[in-house]
Amino acid sequence: GIQVEQSPPDLILQEGANSTLRCNFSDSVNNLQWFHQNPWGQLINLFYIPSGTKQNGRLSATTVATERYSLLYISSSQTTDSGVYFCAVLRTYKYIFGTGTRLKVLA
Amino acid sequence: DGGITQSPKYLFRKEGQNVTLSCEQNLNHDAMYWYRQDPGQGLRLIYYSQIVNDFQKGDIAEGYSVSREKKESFPLTVTSAQKNPTAFYLCASGLAGGNEQFFGPGTRLTVL
Repeated sequence: GIQVEQSPPDLILQEGANSTLRCNFSDSVNNLQWFHQNPWGQLINLFYIPSGTKQNGRLSATTVATERYSLLYISSSQTTDSGVYFCAVLRTYKYIFGTGTRLKVLA
Repeated sequence: DGGITQSPKYLFRKEGQNVTLSCEQNLNHDAMYWYRQDPGQGLRLIYYSQIVNDFQKGDIAEGYSVSREKKESFPLTVTSAQKNPTAFYLCASGLAGGNEQFFGPGTRLTVL
């Protein structure tokens, strides 16, 4: 089956720093989503981005479907950005999740 | 308020007992999904349903059962056949055809 790999697995930043999270997938996909899981376990939708680039405030994402990767950019990080970031790719009605990037932003 | 609700938030059960987790949505979504998350891991798909009265097994369906009698509801039963049921269970919904998914707050199940 399709493999979804995220890097880095762990990331520690000082408040105000920028970061780039990567999601690689091993086969063509129909869609891709980025989520933030907060400390209480809630999954929050960040981007629905099968291709192209989107921006929402300090966050932006780019998916290059032909090269099978997506990037999530976090600028001017805040402590509230801490948590786990997941990408999920869609294959025939099923979303397959990566193992996540655990981000900790220090004040 | 529109959204996805899961109940209860925390659930404790004795080994060997079946338990049913509730998932309700009022977003008029056709598709609903159940995922399992173990500590420090990603989400794995248990079951999904694209339409009422129809559902398909995901990657880890053994020991679980579902029903989809109403569009708004997709309950998950964790049976005694599930070898390691202690986990965080997340329900999601979305428009049919594999569109964007939205998640409920989750249920933490602990089997003693």
